[in-house]
Amino acid sequence: GAGVSQSPSNKVTEKGKDVELRCDPISGHTALYWYRQSLGQGLEFLIYFQGNSAPDKSGLPSDRFSAERTGGSVSTLTIQRTQQEDSAVYLCASSPQGDRPYEQYFGPGTRLTVT
Amino acid sequence: AQSVAQPEDQVNVAEGNPLTVKCTYSVSGNPYLFWYVQYPNRGLQFLLKYITGDNLVKGSYGFEAEFNKSQTSFHLKKPSALVSDSALYFCAVRSPYDWGNNRLAFGKGNQVVVIP
Repeated sequence: GAGVSQSPSNKVTEKGKDVELRCDPISGHTALYWYRQSLGQGLEFLIYFQGNSAPDKSGLPSDRFSAERTGGSVSTLTIQRTQQEDSAVYLCASSPQGDRPYEQYFGPGTRLTVT
Repeated sequence: AQSVAQPEDQVNVAEGNPLTVKCTYSVSGNPYLFWYVQYPNRGLQFLLKYITGDNLVKGSYGFEAEFNKSQTSFHLKKPSALVSDSALYFCAVRSPYDWGNNRLAFGKGNQVVVIP
């Protein structure tokens, strides 16, 4: 079946602009995660959605970052007033259920470049 | 809080030789451990996981990993490396006490280079 998809695959934006990154999880997966991958820094957890529960936003680096998940499926990560340090690959992942040790399935990522 | 250390930035190995990628972890309780691989310009792909049971876990593409509780390690191994195994490898851990979420803590990743 279809895997996790993300769009756009690449995004170049000017400093100070807002950007929206989209994630379509695997159908039926109730848990959705956003991570940020910076060169040499590994994966940094950003936010986690599980069903209708309140999201775990503890990884968001600043109030310029926000995310929503509509209808328990598609998620959008929004970065306001982008800064150069926001340049990274943003990865989305989903899993069948958040409280079980299922593996997470990752999308191909969105490479964000802030000029 | 849980954490993972992958002490080597890059692992170079000749094709056909054994490949080992090291991972040590820190977590409360018995850990859930994962290995992922990332090929260039691709997302992460799941390789294998340890939840409970046999300490030797077999996964995709001929990889295996051994859970060693006394050494808090979960090293990834492959008996005979292929050039196509050249990629970035990530170890991840989750505490069994993280009720209500499946948040993983990832290591920084190891670049594996298999030399023909």
